[in-house]
Amino acid sequence: QQPVQSPQAVILREGEDAVINCSSSKALYSVHWYRQKHGEAPVFLMILLKGGEQKGHEKISASFNEKKQQSSLYLTASQLSYSGTYFCGTVQLGNQFYFGTGTSLTVIP
Amino acid sequence: GAVVSQHPSWVICKSGTSVKIECRSLDFQATTMFWYRQFPKQSLMLMATSNEGSKATYEQGVEKDKFLINHASLTLSTLTVTSAHPEDSSFYICSALWDYYEQYFGPGTRLTVT
Repeated sequence: QQPVQSPQAVILREGEDAVINCSSSKALYSVHWYRQKHGEAPVFLMILLKGGEQKGHEKISASFNEKKQQSSLYLTASQLSYSGTYFCGTVQLGNQFYFGTGTSLTVIP
Repeated sequence: GAVVSQHPSWVICKSGTSVKIECRSLDFQATTMFWYRQFPKQSLMLMATSNEGSKATYEQGVEKDKFLINHASLTLSTLTVTSAHPEDSSFYICSALWDYYEQYFGPGTRLTVT
């Protein structure tokens, strides 16, 4: 039931781009993306709804492939503040919400 | 954005005692709140879904008699860890559902059982 994310960890230099993938074995109704800093609660970044509607952050975008039950988060021109662990979260049948396995992202100067 | 608070932020208790954690939505009413547990370097694991005025729905493997959830009002849900043991030590996070799709998280409660 828990979505699987890839990669598990990535290190970027400032200004580089990154893609984080989220894959589920269950049918998805929406996909959420969060960033969590160490010792803090997750912060909402983005939501993608079945049917194509998208909300979220200007400098971070995402895609949602309903047929493949996958979502990808795109971070462009990364900044130091982007460092953290990124989680996708998926709403599955029954309105249950599950977080993905997580991707640790570190941006270095 | 919407604000969710949790209290306490950090608690240490002795084995065998009970601990209550409060989760409040400060500027909106939340019919549904979620409780998660997170162990170090792991993802957040959904423990239960709390709906105002009804019994919570627990995830498989979560003991409902050990983790008591009460959602008595549209702005408050509580999680009580009964007869806590060291293996219950974890980071507990609540969230409140807003606008049907969006969750806003509390700052979390770090529980240490000695």
